[in-house]
This record gives sequence, structure tokens and C-alpha cells, in this order.
Amino acid sequence: GENVEQHPSTLSVQEGDSAVIKCTYSDSASNYFPWYKQELGKRPQLIIDIRSNVGEKKDQRIAVTLNKTAKHFSLHITETQPEDSAVYFCAATTGGGADGLTFGKGTHLIIQP
Amino acid sequence: AAGVIQSPRHLIKEKRETATLKCYPIPRHDTVYWYQQGPGQDPQFLISFYEKMQSDKGSIPDRFSAQQFSDYHSELNMSSLELGDSALYFCASSLRGYLNTEAFFGQGTRLTVV
Repeated sequence: GENVEQHPSTLSVQEGDSAVIKCTYSDSASNYFPWYKQELGKRPQLIIDIRSNVGEKKDQRIAVTLNKTAKHFSLHITETQPEDSAVYFCAATTGGGADGLTFGKGTHLIIQP
Repeated sequence: AAGVIQSPRHLIKEKRETATLKCYPIPRHDTVYWYQQGPGQDPQFLISFYEKMQSDKGSIPDRFSAQQFSDYHSELNMSSLELGDSALYFCASSLRGYLNTEAFFGQGTRLTVV
């Protein structure tokens, strides 16, 4: 099955700086890579996603890059703000539209004021 | 906009009891997923249904079963509960298409087994 590795497990950055979270996946058939933000005790919320036919996607301060050859994808957050503090999960899935997501272990992002 | 509705929000059960969790997907969504998230852990995929048929199976214990009904709501049945089953259980729904589409998560059911 799919295996997703995520690094770092904890990331502390100064407010206004950039944050980068990296993930690798094992199954070359994976074709959909969402990123979720989860606050303590709340539901995961999609912040951005990328499909295997695209190399980069940007949405305001958030961007995701995908390297299919190397089987890794990264989340970039620029101009970080206190409300960006949360746990971020990357995920991957293969096959059809109803296949479950395999999540990384999560990154606890801490924005220092 | 309507979201994924899960009930109950909180549930306390004793060991060896049975629990039933319910999920009502976003209207017109035809796919439902169940995830289990332990404290400080990532969500673990349990099972999914598309058009009332089981579509994908993850790490769902044999003590658990699930189904999707004609109105697309889904229920996760958990029997012989163990202390280790204490977790947040999320349901997510999506509209299946040629390409994977965004899965929207419900607020979760917090199950505590004592």
C-alpha cells in the first residue's frame, strides 16, 4: 500500500517568515495530493491540493509543488500569520475517486509572534 | 452551505459494548469515507463507499462494519469495543468523478471507551 512520509514533525517560524513542509510517497500510481490543516480537536480542512498532471499550484500565500519523478511534494506558506498555527497533514491517494487517503504523520506549525 | 453531519458528537461506551456512528454526506455527494484519528495521530483510513457499495478498505478491524444506505448516509458499527478504540472518528464525503475530488470532513465523533 501507499506510504507517506512527512517532515518536519514540528516547525517553528517567526511571524512573517516562510514555512516549508515536505512529503514523500511510495506508490508511483498516486495521482492526487491534498494538504489539510487541522486545529486541535477539529476536523481536517483542505487548504490546497494538486493532481499528478500539474507541477505547481498557488493560492494566495499557499503553494504546493509536486515532483513525480522523485515522488515528493511540498507545501509552502509565505508571510506566515499567527492563525497559520495548526497541524498540517499531507496525503496521497491512488486509483479511482473513492479510494481512501493515506496521510502523513503531520507537522505542528508554530508561528512565533 | 450544507456540510457533512456526524452524530453523535460525543459517545462514551464501556468495554465490550457496541457503538453506532452516523454520517450524513453533503447533498449530491455519492462517496463516503470513514477515518479514525487517535490522540496526536494522523487520520487512518478505515473504509469507503461509492453508490452504496464498498469501494476501498483500509485498516478497519473485523469488529467494525459499515454500510451506505439508499439516501447515501452511512453508519459505522463497532462491536466488542476496546479501550484502544477511543478516538475521533471522521466521516468525509465527496463527489466521485474521473479525477479525485476534494473530500469534505465532518466535525467528527469523539468515542471514549471506558
